[in-house]
Amino acid sequence: AQSVTQPDIHITVSEGASLELRCNYSYGATPYLFWYVQSPGQGLQLLLKYFSGDTLVQGIKGFEAEFKRSQSSFNLRKPSVHWSDAAEYFCASRGGYQKVTFGIGTKLQVIP
Amino acid sequence: SQTIHQWPATLVQPVGSPLSLECTVEGTSNPNLYWYRQAAGRGLQLLFYSVGIGQISSEVPQNLSASRPQDRQFILSSKKLLLSDSGFYLCAWSTGTATDTQYFGPGTRLTVL
Repeated sequence: AQSVTQPDIHITVSEGASLELRCNYSYGATPYLFWYVQSPGQGLQLLLKYFSGDTLVQGIKGFEAEFKRSQSSFNLRKPSVHWSDAAEYFCASRGGYQKVTFGIGTKLQVIP
Repeated sequence: SQTIHQWPATLVQPVGSPLSLECTVEGTSNPNLYWYRQAAGRGLQLLFYSVGIGQISSEVPQNLSASRPQDRQFILSSKKLLLSDSGFYLCAWSTGTATDTQYFGPGTRLTVL
């Protein structure tokens, strides 16, 4: 069965600092991978997705993620965090036509 | 472009009362539809999914049910709400293709008192 692990439940960074949110997946073959962002009281917005090809994926709002097969990871990065990036971030994976599996989420706090 | 709507946005209901949450999708045909529940600190729990009209799969046994009376309409119901039904309910749609991506609605905050 698939699983997605987000080891950091809560992260605090200073505005302007770089950010990396960790995500590890468990699946026999290469899964399809996603990152979503959820602002308080809102639905989930797709930041980026990886299906195949270039392992560095660019998304919206200046985010990028890198797929590393050897580490079964798909970490989300941003070089300079803005206060508006404070939200909860979900990593998700899907293998073939299977259902999407979500991680438990990482809450990002941005301090001035 | 495709849009997904959910209503109501917030709902406060007493224990034992019925529930009906509605989700509609515009701009696409024959989508896969999903209901998730998000409880505090517990991530997203898939409740139901549907690949077509009248085709509903339940992921978690509980006192909730789902129906799909029209191609782009997905309804979540309960005959008698429990306190544990409180949470944030999210509807999502996808194309059901190999490169499937789920897109989420704005959600409904349900509080059962």
